[in-house]
Formats: sequence, C-alpha cells, structure tokens
Amino acid sequence: GAGVSQTPSNKVTEKGKYVELRCDPISGHTALYWYRQSLGQGPEFLIYFQGTGAADDSGLPNDRFFAVRPEGSVSTLKIQRTERGDSAVYLCASSLKDHQTSSNQPQHFGDGTRLSIL
Amino acid sequence: GEDVEQSLFLSVREGDSSVINCTYTDSSSTYLYWYKQEPGAGLQLLTYIFSNMDMKQDQRLTVLLNKKDKHLSLRIADTQTGDSAIYFCAESIKAAGNKLTFGGGTRVLVKP
Repeated sequence: GAGVSQTPSNKVTEKGKYVELRCDPISGHTALYWYRQSLGQGPEFLIYFQGTGAADDSGLPNDRFFAVRPEGSVSTLKIQRTERGDSAVYLCASSLKDHQTSSNQPQHFGDGTRLSIL
Repeated sequence: GEDVEQSLFLSVREGDSSVINCTYTDSSSTYLYWYKQEPGAGLQLLTYIFSNMDMKQDQRLTVLLNKKDKHLSLRIADTQTGDSAIYFCAESIKAAGNKLTFGGGTRVLVKP
C-alpha cells in the first residue's frame, strides 16, 4: 500500500517568506509526527497529532512554526518569516494506535521535504 | 532528560558481521528502534524491541538490549554493500505519545 507522502520533495525560498509543507499519512494511521533533521544529525521532534488535535507541540522551536491536521488525516507544517537556520529536511511519520497496549505502534516515515532558505 | 548516543562511524568488510552500539539515558523507554537512512531518503524502520525484552532476531538482524546498562546494539550478519547507510537508534516513551528521540546516527561503510 501507499506509504507516507510528503510534498514538495524540495523547496527553495528566500529569507522572510512563508512556506507550507504537506504530509499525507498512511491511510488509517491516527498518529502523525513531524521531525526536523539538520545536516549530519539525527531527526528532532517538532510536534505530534493524535487525530485532529496537537497532543504535544513541545518541539516547535518558536512561534513562527505552526502545524494543523484539520480532518485527522493530511497535515500541514507552516513556517512564517523563514530564516536561514530553518534550512533542514522536514520529516513526517505516522503510526497506528495499538488499542491493547494504548501505545502507538512503530512510526513509518516519508522521504521528507528538503527546505533551503537563501 | 532524554539523550541517545551512538558512535559516528563503522567500517566493515563485505561478508563480516557489523555491530552498531547505542546508549540511552531514559529508563522509562517503552520501545527502542533501529532505523536505516540512505542518501537523500527518509528513514526505513529496520526493527524494534519492547523494553521488557532482551533480544530480538529478524533474519540477518539481531537486537540486544541491556536495560541495566541502558545499552542497545544492532548486529547485521553477512553484511552486504547494500547495507552501507546511516543507522539511527531511537527510543520512545508511551507516556510521551511515543515521540522518538534519536541518536546522531552511525555511518556504516561496507567495503568489498
């Protein structure tokens, strides 16, 4: 079946512009996560949705970053007034909830959006 | 707080076994994972182990977990050139929504 889909795969924009990054999770996956991966580092958590609501947004670096998931499926990560330091690969992952253990099952990742701020 | 550490680099000859090590600090980890990342690609889930297990084997992959020392390892048997990639160790905590905390990654280079 289809995996996690992220668009665009690459985005180049100028400092100060607004960008939106889209994530289409695996069908039926209730949990959705955003991570950011800087060059040469491991991914870092940004925000987690369970259904439509943001259950944990503690990883968002500042108020220029915002994410939504209005219908509990597709999510959009929005970055205002972009800065050069925002350049990174933004990864999205989704998972099913295991109702027996009440844990989320292992996360499956998309290929990411490579964001470059000039 | 959470912290996951990995060695930076591993070089291995084709056909030998590779062992990638990881240490973590949070004793309330629920699951521990190994992901593989090839250049320009996303993360591929290789295997994972529940924190109450000591070992898990999946074809060429063996995961060992030492909870006392908070040490996780991934052994790849009969390493192939296609195994060259960056390998990430990660932990998750059920109470934190299973968000992942990653190590910095180990770059594995398989030489023919």
